[in-house]
Amino acid sequence: GEDVEQSLFLSVREGDSSVINCTYTDSSSTYLYWYKQEPGAGLQLLTYIFSNMDMKQDQRLTVLLNKKDKHLSLRIADTQTGDSAIYFCAESRANDMRFGAGTRLTVKP
Amino acid sequence: DADVTQTPRNRITKTGKRIMLECSQTKGHDRMYWYRQDPGLGLRLIYYSFDVKDINKGEISDGYSVSRQAQAKFSLSLESAIPNQTALYFCATSDALLSTDTQYFGPGTRLTVL
Repeated sequence: GEDVEQSLFLSVREGDSSVINCTYTDSSSTYLYWYKQEPGAGLQLLTYIFSNMDMKQDQRLTVLLNKKDKHLSLRIADTQTGDSAIYFCAESRANDMRFGAGTRLTVKP
Repeated sequence: DADVTQTPRNRITKTGKRIMLECSQTKGHDRMYWYRQDPGLGLRLIYYSFDVKDINKGEISDGYSVSRQAQAKFSLSLESAIPNQTALYFCATSDALLSTDTQYFGPGTRLTVL
């Protein structure tokens, strides 16, 4: 089964906030990441958080980390149609990185 | 210009054929990776390389082989392609000197095995 789990779909209205959730299993992960994949393109790093942090904010993006529950979330404020994409949660391990299945965010006008 | 490039971008082949996917990078990174993406399964690691001639198996290496003859190039081969290897393949790189291990992805190769 998946080591990193995410819901597959999320739909929001333009201007609303989007919250994408992720659970991971490796408590020793040093960094946790959010990547964005637009149609026909590869993955691009959106943001990352170090495991000893609870929160990281970067413009419209807020990452929350709950290490006790191994839960990571990405909040996108004032969601725009250009935010429509697949968002992947990922955790770093000793020699590799594990990705979730991706959450497809659809933004309706 | 893209830092990580993949060729070809699309490939259709038949069962039993040998094919090679190429990845090149201009980022000067030591580490390179090959992933496959399947709907609903996310990315799964096939092979990775931390330096020239260094090769390591990932989560799903069966049926694949790789070659890292130069720092900038990492190729993925399917010795005898089968239909369940139909997927989107991504190459990625990372800088060993950075503790964050952020990976930079190529645009992907869509492979169809008939």
